[in-house]
Amino acid sequence: KAGVTQTPRYLIKTRGQQVTLSCSPISGHRSVSWYQQTPGQGLQFLFEYFSETQRNKGNFPGRFSGRQFSNSRSEMNVSTLELGDSALYLCASSRTGGGLYNEQFFGPGTRLTVL
Amino acid sequence: DAKTTQPPSMDCAEGRAANLPCNHSTISGNEYVYWYRQIHSQGPQYIIHGLKNNETNEMASLIITEDRKSSTLILPHATLRDTAVYYCIVSNAGGTSYGKLTFGQGTILTVHP
Repeated sequence: KAGVTQTPRYLIKTRGQQVTLSCSPISGHRSVSWYQQTPGQGLQFLFEYFSETQRNKGNFPGRFSGRQFSNSRSEMNVSTLELGDSALYLCASSRTGGGLYNEQFFGPGTRLTVL
Repeated sequence: DAKTTQPPSMDCAEGRAANLPCNHSTISGNEYVYWYRQIHSQGPQYIIHGLKNNETNEMASLIITEDRKSSTLILPHATLRDTAVYYCIVSNAGGTSYGKLTFGQGTILTVHP
């Protein structure tokens, strides 16, 4: 079974630009979560989508948004990039996002560098 | 979600068992204990989880105390490839925790030859 895939793996942008990251979950998984990882703040939860609906959201500004498609693939978008948005962005999928089968399986991440 | 406390670092000799402790004294009845690890900036890897019974899989064993206030992850025969940051996470089954794992600082496990 294929794992979680994320594209692109590396990205360099400049301040003020916007960026879209993509995540393809494990087949059959309907929940997709996004995380940001930085050396200073560690791994922080951004948001979770299930059946094309955002069910949960972390404490990030509105510049961070996402969506999920009917095939469970998900994208996240960051607008008006700031230097502090440089991070590893991780996507994780799980069967339901809750209950007994909440174990999440992570992709390799997208390394975003903002110059 | 309940807060967890882990030692910042631990060492283990290759081939020996690695026992990683975690305290979660404020855990509530519907919260599960999850363990993940992250190797050198790869995505975190799910290891094991449990509610109140001890669990074992091909990677590790999870021992949860009877009062559920602490747990231990056991890697029975550690190898150099087990060197990683290990995260103990407590999460409930839904509601405000849908799809959300709250990562702390974790334990850096270093396995020595």
